[in-house]
Amino acid sequence: GAGVSQSPRYKVAKRGQDVALRCDPISGHVSLFWYQQALGQGPEFLTYFQNEAQLDKSGLPSDRFFAERPEGSVSTLKIQRTQQEDSAVYLCASSLASGANVLTFGAGSRLTVL
Amino acid sequence: DAKTTQPTSMDCAEGRAANLPCNHSTISGNEYVYWYRQIHSQGPQYIIHGLKNNETNEMASLIITEDRKSSTLILPHATLRDTAVYYCIVRAPGGAGNMLTFGGGTRLMVKP
Repeated sequence: GAGVSQSPRYKVAKRGQDVALRCDPISGHVSLFWYQQALGQGPEFLTYFQNEAQLDKSGLPSDRFFAERPEGSVSTLKIQRTQQEDSAVYLCASSLASGANVLTFGAGSRLTVL
Repeated sequence: DAKTTQPTSMDCAEGRAANLPCNHSTISGNEYVYWYRQIHSQGPQYIIHGLKNNETNEMASLIITEDRKSSTLILPHATLRDTAVYYCIVRAPGGAGNMLTFGGGTRLMVKP
């Protein structure tokens, strides 16, 4: 596609529910990143994939967060047993090559946990 | 990664040049300076990057001091649509972890 597509754009969940956020990167992009952005803050790194391999998950805040990219294209970020502090915008970005720092970001998925 | 320091906010009159400073006094020789911006309700957007020479593209110019300890992003004729948070990031290509680290950025308000 022309850009990075994320869905849903908005998600409201009750505390304790599981959510899944989807990212469609630009076709052919090797690297895929997930970031979390709290209100009024800069994006914070969550995890990084090179093709289907998750090479860095050091930013995932707890074991309730899980990401996958099974075929090296579409990625899903799953949050289990959501808590209010998980409320944030979740941004996905992709880049053509590994190690590249020019990323194309999606518009994000805004998660609100009640 | 080298730490960057940016003013929290700046104003600019529409049609005038917006000059956004960034200090990165601990930058290493192989680290580039990257600029991204984030317009409200959108994801960050890449603007420009450079190593030591000044760079220009259709969006902006990047001026890096000779000692590379600071840089300035210049939007030559700011419009209302340039109102955004601008992030200055210093990073080596293919660095460990391969992730960009965003700070707080500068909130630029372009006023009519």
